[in-house]
Amino acid sequence: TQTVSQSDAHVTVFEGDSVELRCNYSYGGSIYLSWYIQHHGRGLQFLLKYYSGNPVVQGVNGFKAEFSKSDSSFHLRKASVHWSDSAVYFCAVSDNVGDNSKLIWGLGTSLVVNP
Amino acid sequence: EAAVTQSPRNKVAVTGGKVTLSCNQTNNHNNMYWYRQDTGHGLRLIHYSYGAGSTEKGDIPDGYKASRPSQENFSLILELATPSQTSVYFCASGDAGGYAEQFFGPGTRLTVL
Repeated sequence: TQTVSQSDAHVTVFEGDSVELRCNYSYGGSIYLSWYIQHHGRGLQFLLKYYSGNPVVQGVNGFKAEFSKSDSSFHLRKASVHWSDSAVYFCAVSDNVGDNSKLIWGLGTSLVVNP
Repeated sequence: EAAVTQSPRNKVAVTGGKVTLSCNQTNNHNNMYWYRQDTGHGLRLIHYSYGAGSTEKGDIPDGYKASRPSQENFSLILELATPSQTSVYFCASGDAGGYAEQFFGPGTRLTVL
């Protein structure tokens, strides 16, 4: 059974700080990993994904994530956060590569950016 | 223009009543999904569909039915609503394939009294 773990339920930083949101997964097959963002009261929005090639993937608004097979991780990073980055961030892994795939979701990390 | 829309956005229902949540997508995606989101549980998959006429059970299907009459529309039906079904419900659509991203609607806040 695939699982996704986001070790930090809450992260608080100041505007301009760098941030790393952690995601670890357990899965033995081909891996498709993604990050989504959810602003308060809104639906989730796709940020970025990895499925092969360069382990560092760039997303929107300066976010990037790095895949590590040895660590079973896909951590999300941003070098300098803005107050508008305050949101809940979800990591997800596909349960298979076929047309009938579903996403397995982490519980989310709430990021608060203080001015 | 929003590609995944949900209606209603807010709903108050009585215990034992029937509730229908509707979802429409203009992305021409084959796959559609219904999730509920509760504090401490993240997103949980209720039902999903690979195309018109198909519905599949997700991780927590009990107490819910789904209907996919067309490519664009996917409904979630609570035949006998219970207070434990009070939650925020999200619909999403996506292309087939494990690499495909999902596009979410704005959510429906359901309160069952």
